Amino acid sequence: NAGVTQTPKFRILKIGQSMTLQCTQDMNHNYMYWYRQDPGMGLKLIYYSVGAGITDKGEVPNGYNVSRSTTEDFPLRLELAAPSQTSVYFCASSYPARTSGETQYFGPGTRLLVL
Amino acid sequence: GEDVEQSLFLSVREGDSSVINCTYTDSSSTYLYWYKQEPGAGLQLLTYIFSNMDMKQDQRLTVLLNKKDKHLSLRIADTQTGDSAIYFCAESIGFKTIFGAGTRLFVKA
Repeated sequence: NAGVTQTPKFRILKIGQSMTLQCTQDMNHNYMYWYRQDPGMGLKLIYYSVGAGITDKGEVPNGYNVSRSTTEDFPLRLELAAPSQTSVYFCASSYPARTSGETQYFGPGTRLLVL
Repeated sequence: GEDVEQSLFLSVREGDSSVINCTYTDSSSTYLYWYKQEPGAGLQLLTYIFSNMDMKQDQRLTVLLNKKDKHLSLRIADTQTGDSAIYFCAESIGFKTIFGAGTRLFVKA
């Protein structure tokens, strides 16, 4: 299993540009998440999904959109990029199990710089 | 509200024990976790504890949970330079996980 993969690893955007961060998992997990990690801060939940066709907002959804057409893929769309969206973005997935709760598996992250 | 707090830095000598502390606010948490993040990588689960347990030991790792004080700690015995990383405390509330800001552990040779 590759686990959770994310592309690209690094991207520079100009203010106002758009892009899609890709996330794929091959573990057949129902739950998928997008987080952002700002320097010296914990992870903030942007959006999450509990299954194909179902998405919901997290703590900091403004400026982002998601879709979940398949179990495997959970892309994050940035429309009209702003400098405040400069961050490291992590995708995660989980399959709830009674013995381990909501253990999440993380991708390697996408580092985004908006100038 | 939901909040997880931890100190930002800890420095120890190689071979010593490290203790990383965390406090959380939501008493309805079912699981509490410790994740490790190495430079340039995503978070990896280190260990977890169910909320009705007081202690869990896993090789060099010992997790202590004080539910009354909502305090969680991670002890790493015989700390090695390879343990240098950021350690995140997290609590699960339903299907959401709330993360602390992370404690950066420096291990001096």
